[in-house]
Amino acid sequence: ETGVTQTPRHLVMGMTNKKSLKCEQHLGHNAMYWYKQSAKKPLELMFVYNFKEQTENNSVPSRFSPECPNSSHLFLHLHTLQPEDSALYLCASSQDPGSGANVLTFGAGSRLTVL
Amino acid sequence: AQKITQTQPGMFVQEKEAVTLDCTYDTSDPSYGLFWYKQPSSGEMIFLIYQGSYDQQNATEGRYSLNFQKARKSANLVISASQLGDSAMYFCAMRERKDSSYKLIFGSGTRLLVRP
Repeated sequence: ETGVTQTPRHLVMGMTNKKSLKCEQHLGHNAMYWYKQSAKKPLELMFVYNFKEQTENNSVPSRFSPECPNSSHLFLHLHTLQPEDSALYLCASSQDPGSGANVLTFGAGSRLTVL
Repeated sequence: AQKITQTQPGMFVQEKEAVTLDCTYDTSDPSYGLFWYKQPSSGEMIFLIYQGSYDQQNATEGRYSLNFQKARKSANLVISASQLGDSAMYFCAMRERKDSSYKLIFGSGTRLLVRP
């Protein structure tokens, strides 16, 4: 496996379900990110982890709960979501968020539909 | 206020021709970076090109070049010799410092369709 891998690629869940999105990076990067991409809206940064520590929470509702057990893995735990949470959730990683040309490498995304 | 503006929701280009995708930005940070990403229908965001605010020359990467006009705050992407595989969404993004960290802010994107 190379790059950034996200699972599942597609997820349909009811508003009372609990599910998790998983992201794994094989690039040796130190920082990982969750972005939300809704239809007709720019990408929205949700969370940033640097060396496993959360450094950014962009006012995300508590029904989204991130977990970063190590620099290679990032989870997004979902519970009691709303239909408006339906979106493409993109995971990304980078070497150093404090550097100049901090290029993010993205996964293919998890398409979430909340019924 | 919009930080990154992409005014072209959709663009067409004939195969083998060049196309310019517009991007303007707004920042008070003197040290910033500009990025272009491509998102094909598969969903993955693919990094194309980067331009630092202090870079003297326009960035180029193969068929991609960035027309950086600092005074106008524009960072247009030029794709030369378009190919059918270039059909995708294209996002301009800006890295600026906020508090003690950097943030990457994306524009709303331009959908490019290459005609055979």
